[in-house]
Amino acid sequence: DIQMTQSPSSLSASVGDRVTITCRASQGISSWLAWYQQKPEKAPKSLIYAASTLHSGVPSRFSGSGSGTEFTLTISSLQPEDFGTYYCQQYNFYPLSFGGGTMVEIK
Amino acid sequence: QVQLVQSGAEVKKPGASVKVSCKASGYTFTNYAIHWVRQAPGQRLEWMGWINAGNDNTKYSQKFQDRVTITRDTSASTAYMELSSLRSQDTAVYYCARDVCSGTSCNHFDNWGLGTLVTVSS
Repeated sequence: DIQMTQSPSSLSASVGDRVTITCRASQGISSWLAWYQQKPEKAPKSLIYAASTLHSGVPSRFSGSGSGTEFTLTISSLQPEDFGTYYCQQYNFYPLSFGGGTMVEIK
Repeated sequence: QVQLVQSGAEVKKPGASVKVSCKASGYTFTNYAIHWVRQAPGQRLEWMGWINAGNDNTKYSQKFQDRVTITRDTSASTAYMELSSLRSQDTAVYYCARDVCSGTSCNHFDNWGLGTLVTVSS
């Protein structure tokens, strides 16, 4: 099974900061990677697929990059509503698998 | 707009089964696969399987292969996930999620249900 490892596990940043989250796959997954945002007690929200393609309606301050085994999610200018936990998910191999999450807190 | 409405919270005893429903609206139900993903307290999301709502094909995670059954009722635009032989480690929020691709499974998701809490306790 593909193991997905995210770092950091949590971060605290100020409004306006640039935030970067890393996701590493235990083997190459090409660009078959998605990112989700989950707020406390809420269902996940889909942000990005194919490593870098934004879902409709996702603000342009979110961006994704990477291929193979290393990926990043960047928030160019952190906003108050961006708090929550971010998960990466690989969909190149079964079973589909998620990273452990990165909790983003607003200072 | 696309909506996935899930059934309410359940409390089950160890060894029992649970069946969670996911009613879809706002799109043609048979055009998309529905996935089931669970999240135990403090744990990461865990994919369980999917069903092609059009042709009834299913794919399960090997971890759950022996205990999970995903079905659908096209007349009700509803997908179901049944998990048997429940144990305390199955206590989790169970989500249904729609696949992004029409006509096939691309294995990532665009719309999610709000989740169903299943508690397994004696």
